[in-house]
Amino acid sequence: ETGVTQTPRHLVMGMTNKKSLKCEQHLGHNAMYWYKQSAKKPLELMFVYSLEERVENNSVPSRFSPECPNSSHLFLHLHTLQPEDSALYLCASSQDQGFRTGELFFGEGSRLTVL
Amino acid sequence: QKEVEQDPGPLSVPEGAIVSLNCTYSNSAFQYFMWYRQYSRKGPELLMYTYSSGNKEDGRFTAQVDKSSKYISLFIRDSQPSDSATYLCAMSTMGAQKLVFGQGTRLTINP
Repeated sequence: ETGVTQTPRHLVMGMTNKKSLKCEQHLGHNAMYWYKQSAKKPLELMFVYSLEERVENNSVPSRFSPECPNSSHLFLHLHTLQPEDSALYLCASSQDQGFRTGELFFGEGSRLTVL
Repeated sequence: QKEVEQDPGPLSVPEGAIVSLNCTYSNSAFQYFMWYRQYSRKGPELLMYTYSSGNKEDGRFTAQVDKSSKYISLFIRDSQPSDSATYLCAMSTMGAQKLVFGQGTRLTINP
């Protein structure tokens, strides 16, 4: 496996379900991110982890709960979601947070539908 | 006012045309400017990166930054059907911990 892999690629859940999204990066990076991509809206940064510590929480509702057990893995735990949470959730990694190179490496995303 | 404004399109042009994609921004502290390309059902990938003002060329792609006008552009010469994708501009301030993205412009190159 190379790059950033996300599972599952598609997820349908009811408003009372609990599910998790998983991200794994094979690039040796030390920062990982969750972004939300909705139609006709800019990418929204949700969480940033640097060296396994959360450094950014962009006013995300508590029904989204991130977990970063090590520098290669990132999870997004979902519970009691709302239909407006339906979106593409993208995981990304970078070598550092300073964006001196500007390069984030994105996974292919998990398409979430909340019924 | 949004920090970064980008016309979402869609934009459709014939093969071989020159394509111009643009973003405007309001934060004069932005120093790093990027263009990402996102194919359908894929994640975005970095296409061009520019620090501060000026031009940068990479093959058929040219990125321009005009900080005085708070305006950035991406030009695609001799456009190909394989260039059909959504193009997102992104920018950040020095030492920032996050990128601010535009809405993305959906581009289709017709054979």
